[in-house]
Amino acid sequence: SAVISQKPSRDICQRGTSLTIQCQVDSQVTMMFWYRQQPGQSLTLIATANQGSEATYESGFVIDKFPISRPNLTFSTLTVSNMSPEDSSIYLCSVEDGSQPQHFGDGTRLSIL
Amino acid sequence: QKEVEQDPGPLSVPEGAIVSLNCTYSNSAFQYFMWYRQYSRKGPELLMYTYSSGNKEDGRFTAQVDKSSKYISLFIRDSQPSDSATYLCAMSETNAGNTTFGDGTTLTVKP
Repeated sequence: SAVISQKPSRDICQRGTSLTIQCQVDSQVTMMFWYRQQPGQSLTLIATANQGSEATYESGFVIDKFPISRPNLTFSTLTVSNMSPEDSSIYLCSVEDGSQPQHFGDGTRLSIL
Repeated sequence: QKEVEQDPGPLSVPEGAIVSLNCTYSNSAFQYFMWYRQYSRKGPELLMYTYSSGNKEDGRFTAQVDKSSKYISLFIRDSQPSDSATYLCAMSETNAGNTTFGDGTTLTVKP
């Protein structure tokens, strides 16, 4: 299965700032996803990162707040913009290569002061 | 009502016990059923993956799907302290795309 590297692994940020999270995969994959996981809760899909086109966002998530890039089949970024304490969470990248269910990176633990 | 309901836990068992983790769902179109294991400060790791109804065994782990009852289970035999983690059930209609996750059950296996 694909090996997924996510950076940074954790960060503490000031409110009002933005942070870009990177997701690198060691092989080309068809689909990449971004999730949020609040402490003690399950995974909430933010968006599907589409290669060469705009990301597809789930209800409750908008591009202005969570801009996503996917320049090629092995890399994607998620930016959390104008952060507030409510954005404190774990952000997870996952990939799907067509034949197996999603595989996840280890996530980015984000705290907003 | 959530599309996927998972027994909330937490669950604490002695080493060597048989563990049963369970989820129910409401969407009869789900065809693919997964169990993920998530250790603290790690991402979810795919543990078991089954298609449609039936059982699948992998070592100490058995995944069971009953589509008629919309019920899936993960059994862990001879549980070990290293099995202590949060277990997430997940389901999808196709083998690609949207996946719905349960809220997770936290398991602690005590030596």
